[in-house]
Amino acid sequence: DVKVTQSSRYLVKRTGEKVFLECVQDMDHENMFWYRQDPGLGLRLIYFSYDVKMKEKGDIPEGYSVSREKKERFSLILESASTNQTSMYLCASSPGGDHEQFFGPGTRLTVL
Amino acid sequence: GIQVEQSPPDLILQEGANSTLRCNFSDSVNNLQWFHQNPWGQLINLFYIPSGTKQNGRLSATTVATERYSLLYISSSQTTDSGVYFCAVLNQAGTALIFGKGTTLSVSS
Repeated sequence: DVKVTQSSRYLVKRTGEKVFLECVQDMDHENMFWYRQDPGLGLRLIYFSYDVKMKEKGDIPEGYSVSREKKERFSLILESASTNQTSMYLCASSPGGDHEQFFGPGTRLTVL
Repeated sequence: GIQVEQSPPDLILQEGANSTLRCNFSDSVNNLQWFHQNPWGQLINLFYIPSGTKQNGRLSATTVATERYSLLYISSSQTTDSGVYFCAVLNQAGTALIFGKGTTLSVSS
C-alpha cells in the first residue's frame, strides 16, 4: 500500500514564525504536491514537484516556498506565518502522468 | 479550466439505504478519482476511474467519459460511510487535481 505521512496532525504557531510542514512517501513516486483546504474554497494546489530539486507553482503559491532535496520528502515552508494561512494542509504523491494521487492524513495549522 | 460539479451537495440517509452521487465535468479527462474525507480530514482513495465501471465491496463507480460524468454508488449504507465524498479530475496541464465541492453524506442508525 502507498503510504504518505505528514509530520504533524495539528500545529499551532504565532504570526511571523517560520513554519515547516514535512511530507514523506514510501512508494518512490516522482510527483509530490501540497494542497490547502478551506471551507467554501475547496482544495487548491500550492506547489508541486516532479523531481528532486524541481518545483512548480500551483494556484496559490504566495507566502509559501517548498523544498525537495530527496525523492521521498517534500517540505512546505511558510516563511512568515500569517493568520490567513490558518488552514488544512494536505500532501499528495503520484507516480506521474495521469496516475492516481495518494494523500497524507493532513496537518491542521492554526496561526495566532 | 475544467469545471467539476457534484450533486447533491447534501444527502441524509437511514442505515441500509442505497445512494447515488454524481460528478459532472466540463472537458475530457484522463484521470478521475473519487475520495472519501473522513472526520479527521484524511482523503481516502475510493476509485481511480477515468472510464468504465469498478466495484469494491458495497461501493461501485461508473465513468462515462464521452458524456462527461461519473457516478458513485453506495449500497446498504452504514454510519461509517458518513463524511464528504469528493470527485476530482486532473487539470489539462496534467499536474493538479481539480476537486468538486463535495457531497456531504450523513447516515443515521
